Amino acid sequence: GAVVSQHPSWVICKSGTSVKIECRSLDFQATTMFWYRQFPKQSLMLMATSNEGSKATYEQGVEKDKFLINHASLTLSTLTVTSAHPEDSSFYICSARFGGSSGEQFFGPGTRLTVL
Amino acid sequence: GDSVTQMEGPVTLSEEAFLTINCTYTATGYPSLFWYVQYPGEGLQLLLKATKADDKGSNKGFEATYRKETTSFHLEKGSVQVSDSAVYFCALLKAQKLVFGQGTRLTINP
Repeated sequence: GAVVSQHPSWVICKSGTSVKIECRSLDFQATTMFWYRQFPKQSLMLMATSNEGSKATYEQGVEKDKFLINHASLTLSTLTVTSAHPEDSSFYICSARFGGSSGEQFFGPGTRLTVL
Repeated sequence: GDSVTQMEGPVTLSEEAFLTINCTYTATGYPSLFWYVQYPGEGLQLLLKATKADDKGSNKGFEATYRKETTSFHLEKGSVQVSDSAVYFCALLKAQKLVFGQGTRLTINP
């Protein structure tokens, strides 16, 4: 099946710094990528949807100035957590889809962010 | 809003036992329903899906039937293996967005 990678797999940073997480589709071109956040023992919550070359669409309650999403190519999307604080500590997961709305989403393995 | 509720885990079974993981949903209209599996250290993988009422999704010995009358999509397997140990997520697709349940951790002991 299609492979999606994320980098880094885990990151620790100091409060107030920014962190960038990459999501890559390795063997297909992803017209749409999704970013999710997962708290311990809770479900994945969709943060935003991004289409290549367009601005991301953020879900209600997600601060777009804090979680910057860039989808500059059909194989790469990045999530930048700006001025991170301890409450931003979480597991961030991306997925990628090619084709239309009925296309399957392929998920990355996730990135564990810890903000000290 | 749309939501998915799964039975709480963790679930621990012996090899060859029968498995049921309950999933119910709340949504307007008729969403597509999915089960995803996440093995340790890996991303979520689609296990099976159903797109309309009474559809049965199946894969790797797992089955789930889309029950509109009970708004359910319970996951079943007749004889589990140690390799089935993973976290299982039920989800619905509405307006191109996936809504997930909280996940159920399954451990199979030899």
